[in-house]
Amino acid sequence: DSGVTQTPKHLITATGQRVTLRCSPRSGDLSVYWYQQSLDQGLQFLIQYYNGEERAKGNILERFSAQQFPDLHSELNLSSLELGDSALYFCASSVAGAGVSEQFFGPGTRLTVL
Amino acid sequence: LAKTTQPISMDSYEGQEVNITCSHNNIATNDYITWYQQFPSQGPRFIIQGYKTKVTNEVASLFIPADRKSSTLSLPRVSLSDTAVYYCRALSGGSYIPTFGRGTSLIVHP
Repeated sequence: DSGVTQTPKHLITATGQRVTLRCSPRSGDLSVYWYQQSLDQGLQFLIQYYNGEERAKGNILERFSAQQFPDLHSELNLSSLELGDSALYFCASSVAGAGVSEQFFGPGTRLTVL
Repeated sequence: LAKTTQPISMDSYEGQEVNITCSHNNIATNDYITWYQQFPSQGPRFIIQGYKTKVTNEVASLFIPADRKSSTLSLPRVSLSDTAVYYCRALSGGSYIPTFGRGTSLIVHP
C-alpha cells in the first residue's frame, strides 16, 4: 500500500459524458501527478500540482482539467469523453515539487468509455 | 522533451541475472534516473534511483555511465515473482516533465 488513494476504482461511462477522478496523496506529500496509461502509449504524464499550484504540464488534452485543493487532494476532470480516453489513470504523489524525490503511485482508476 | 527507449520484452529463467538498459537523451542534468516495477492492475512501484555510477539496494543495482545517456537496471537471481513490467523514468531537461519509457515486460520462466 503506497498510501495514495484513488476513487473510483472503476468507471464505465458513455461518449460525450464528463467524469471526475479523485486522488488523495500520502500524508505530508505536497505534489500530485496525474498519468494516463493505455496499452499502446505506456505511461503518459498529464499534469502536476505542487501545494495547490500547477507545476508542470504534459500531454493533457484541452478537454481534461485538474486542480489541487487546500487539503492537497486532487481531482482530474475529463469531459466530452471519447472512446480513445479509455485507459488507466494513475495519480502519484511526492514530497518535493520537482526532481529527486520518489513518486508513490495510487492503485489507479480504470475508465471505460462505451 | 526527453526521450527514453527500452526493450519491449525480455525473457529469463529463475536464478539468472537480468539487465535491462534504458537510453535517455535531453534529460535534466540535475535529477536522478528512477526505475519502477509494475504488476498488472497495480500502480508502478519504486525500485531504485541514481545519479551517476552505481547504486545498489536490497533488490537491484543501477548502473549509470558518466554521460548519463543510458542506465542499466540489474536484477540479481530473478524469481517468478519478478515477472512484471519495468519502467525507467527521467525528467526532461528544462521543463522537468517526468518521462517514462514504454516499459520492458520481463517474463521469468521456471
